[in-house]
Amino acid sequence: DQQVKQNSPSLSVQEGRISILNCDYTNSMFDYFLWYKKYPAEGPTFLISISSIKDKNEDGRFTVFLNKSAKHLSLHIVPSQPGDSAVYFCAASDSGGSNYKLTFGKGTLLTVNP
Amino acid sequence: DADVTQTPRNRITKTGKRIMLECSQTKGHDRMYWYRQDPGLGLQLIYYSFDVKDINKGEISDGYSVSRQAQAKFSLSLESAIPNQTALYFCATSQNGGNYNEQFFGPGTRLTVL
Repeated sequence: DQQVKQNSPSLSVQEGRISILNCDYTNSMFDYFLWYKKYPAEGPTFLISISSIKDKNEDGRFTVFLNKSAKHLSLHIVPSQPGDSAVYFCAASDSGGSNYKLTFGKGTLLTVNP
Repeated sequence: DADVTQTPRNRITKTGKRIMLECSQTKGHDRMYWYRQDPGLGLQLIYYSFDVKDINKGEISDGYSVSRQAQAKFSLSLESAIPNQTALYFCATSQNGGNYNEQFFGPGTRLTVL
């Protein structure tokens, strides 16, 4: 049973345009969400996060939106750059319960074309 | 210098062999984790440790064991490797207080079991 779903295995966008990566979750106990970025031959690196008490968090070109009623979050990258090409993982945690554990989605490969 | 290092970076071994993957960190974090990633899948938690005396199983611990030799070192062992343990293995750390959700990953070890 996949609790964190990234239904798009891949996404291709043009440089300068917006990239929107989506993530759905099923566990209503999740209250903290993170996005990680992974380049080939490297470990995932933390990108941005959001607590369930917020519906938006912005950091430079990256914005994460959270829709709790729909159990959906999205990562917006504006403007997209070729260096953003990587696999993006959505992750979620239940801070009140198993606070050791991040549950990851399968990832979305973003390709930004020059 | 990298904050979380893993050795070896690549390893090819045969079925039945004992393998140890090592992880060291200079971040001063108490919490350490071992994950595996299979192609097309997200990261799955194998074991985690909140401090030197605390070791816990993750969701896929069968066939693996760990040792927390010091705050900075966390090793993963495959006592008798099998082909379906071929995967990319990541070590991660997080701090005990504050934003413990944010995990910092090593570069990964690619393990192939023939």
